[in-house]
Amino acid sequence: AQSVTQPDIHITVSEGASLELRCNYSYGATPYLFWYVQSPGQGLQLLLKYFSGDTLVQGIKGFEAEFKRSQSSFNLRKPSVHWSDAAEYFCAVGARLNYGGATNKLIFGTGTLLAVQP
Amino acid sequence: GAGVSQSPSNKVTEKGKDVELRCDPISGHTALYWYRQSLGQGLEFLIYFQGNSAPDKSGLPSDRFSAERTGGSVSTLTIQRTQQEDSAVYLCASSLGIAGELFFGEGSRLTVL
Repeated sequence: AQSVTQPDIHITVSEGASLELRCNYSYGATPYLFWYVQSPGQGLQLLLKYFSGDTLVQGIKGFEAEFKRSQSSFNLRKPSVHWSDAAEYFCAVGARLNYGGATNKLIFGTGTLLAVQP
Repeated sequence: GAGVSQSPSNKVTEKGKDVELRCDPISGHTALYWYRQSLGQGLEFLIYFQGNSAPDKSGLPSDRFSAERTGGSVSTLTIQRTQQEDSAVYLCASSLGIAGELFFGEGSRLTVL
């Protein structure tokens, strides 16, 4: 069964600084990987996803993430954080079905709460 | 509607009562998920429906929890004999399956007194 670890519960960065949120997964094969963001009082929104191919994926709002198989990681990065990026970020891993089809059960990490200082 | 709709948005109940939470997925989405979000616990997988296949119930925490999906569309999550530890936000999501992206509803906040 797949699992996800987000080692940082809470991170504070200054506006304009770079950001990296860590995500490590456990899965016996190449997983599907996702980052979701949950802003205060809002639902979860997909930032980006990795299925196959280029291991550096670009997402919305200037975010990117890199899949590193050797490290079982899928860290989220942004070169310059904006105050509106303050939110909770969730990494998720999905298992591939036997016929290489869609994700089924998506397992989420416990989230990283990002605070942005002016 | 265009998105995943959940009702009620808020539910306060007394310990021992049964509750039903409803989810209307995006039309045409074959996959439907229920998650529970508690403070500091992240999103806990509860159950997953995919088309006409048997649901994956491996995340249901006890036999007090059950869910059904009628006609491949609307889903109801039922919690019997609610306990205080059931207090959480229950999130529903749907997806096309092949694309894999989950679209989430706003959630149903359950408070058990």
